[in-house]
Amino acid sequence: GNSVTQMEGPVTLSEEAFLTINCTYTATGYPSLFWYVQYPGEGLQLLLKATKADDKGSNKGFEATYRKETTSFHLEKGSVQVSDSAVYFCALTSGTYKYIFGTGTRLKVLA
Amino acid sequence: GAGVSQTPSNKVTEKGKYVELRCDPISGHTALYWYRQSLGQGPEFLIYFQGTGAADDSGLPNDRFFAVRPEGSVSTLKIQRTERGDSAVYLCASSSLAGGPWQETQYFGPGTRLLVL
Repeated sequence: GNSVTQMEGPVTLSEEAFLTINCTYTATGYPSLFWYVQYPGEGLQLLLKATKADDKGSNKGFEATYRKETTSFHLEKGSVQVSDSAVYFCALTSGTYKYIFGTGTRLKVLA
Repeated sequence: GAGVSQTPSNKVTEKGKYVELRCDPISGHTALYWYRQSLGQGPEFLIYFQGTGAADDSGLPNDRFFAVRPEGSVSTLKIQRTERGDSAVYLCASSSLAGGPWQETQYFGPGTRLLVL
């Protein structure tokens, strides 16, 4: 079946450090891939998405490229801020409206 | 416009009791989804409504769980004879169905935190 695997957290970085959160997937067909973010005390918010191979999603300085050959959708940001501290979820849909989520990766950015 | 809202934000109940959780989707969104998020886990799909009907209820864990959306807008998730293992955050999401499944973006509410004692 379809699944998403994320790197375990927590990830602790200093402000302005480079961020990578790994996400790999298993899916039949041609999935769409998403990154959602959950800030403390808030609901899930869509951060970015990509709907076909080689697409790059980007938002708020975050980027992720849909790599079909490696079945990956790693999240990156060149310079993190304290305000980026949150839990990040990788997710996919594949031919249905049902999202499959990873377990989430907590990011903590220190000033 | 307003986002997805859910009430109550927190619910504490005793084992064996009945609970109802409410979701108000974004106005005009045809599709509505319920997910359950246990501590330290990602959300898990429960049920999907397209309009008034449940198009996919394959994620409901057992027959104690039931959801309705009688007028195609507000939805209620109902849990009978609650068990301690039902404790989780219940998330609701909605989408416009403007694109196909490969393009759809779901907008999530803040969730209802359910604690069964």
